Amino acid sequence: EAGVTQFPSHSVIEKGQTVTLRCDPISGHDNLYWYRRVMGKEIKFLLHFVKESKQDESGMPNNRFLAERTGGTYSTLKVQPAELEDSGVYFCASSQDMRGYGYTFGSGTRLTVV
Amino acid sequence: AQTVTQSQPEMSVQEAETVTLSCTYDTSESDYYLFWYKQPPSRQMILVIRQEAYKQQNATENRFSVNFQKAAKSFSLKISDSQLGDAAMYFCAYRRTRSNDMRFGAGTRLTVKP
Repeated sequence: EAGVTQFPSHSVIEKGQTVTLRCDPISGHDNLYWYRRVMGKEIKFLLHFVKESKQDESGMPNNRFLAERTGGTYSTLKVQPAELEDSGVYFCASSQDMRGYGYTFGSGTRLTVV
Repeated sequence: AQTVTQSQPEMSVQEAETVTLSCTYDTSESDYYLFWYKQPPSRQMILVIRQEAYKQQNATENRFSVNFQKAAKSFSLKISDSQLGDAAMYFCAYRRTRSNDMRFGAGTRLTVKP
C-alpha cells in the first residue's frame, strides 16, 4: 500500500508570500492530522480531520493558516501571508480509526520563509 | 497540560553497543499510550515501539525495548546491538486515550559510530 505522501518536500518562499502544502493520506484512512516542528522544538499538533470535517483545529497558530480536505481525500494547508516564524517542517499523518493508534506519517515538507 | 520531555538533545553510541534514550512526561491521566518514533535522514517518521499505560509489561520489538515506569512517568528506549541504520532523530510521544492530540518531545539525535 502507498504511504502518506506530502508535496513539496521543500519550499523556500519570501515573507508575505503564500504557500500551499499538500498531503495525500493512505487510501481509506478517514483520519488525517497535521503537525509542525519548528527547528529544535517539539513537534506540535495543528489539526485533525475526520473525512472532510475538521474534528479539532485547536493547534492552528493563527488565521493565516487554512486547512482543507475536500471530499475527504487529500488535504491542503495554506499559509497566507507567510511569516518568518512559520519556518519549520510540516508533517502529515493518517490513521484508519478515531483512536489514532496506528499513525502513519509522511516525510514532511520543510518550509523556509526568508 | 500534558508535556513530554527528552533531556538528551544528542546521543552517540558505538556500533554493536547498547544505548538508552530518556523520556519523561507529565499527565494526570491514568489511561494513555506512549510511543517512540524514529526519523532517519530521509525524514519519514517511523513508529518504533508503543506501550499502553495499563500494561505493566514493558514492550519489546526485536532490538528495541522500553523501560516504562508509570509512577515515575518515565518511558526510556533501549537500543541493543546498535546498527548504523539506527542513526536518526528519535521522538518520544504521548497520547491520551480517546484523544487525537499526540504530544511529542523535542527529539534526541542518535549518532552510531562504526
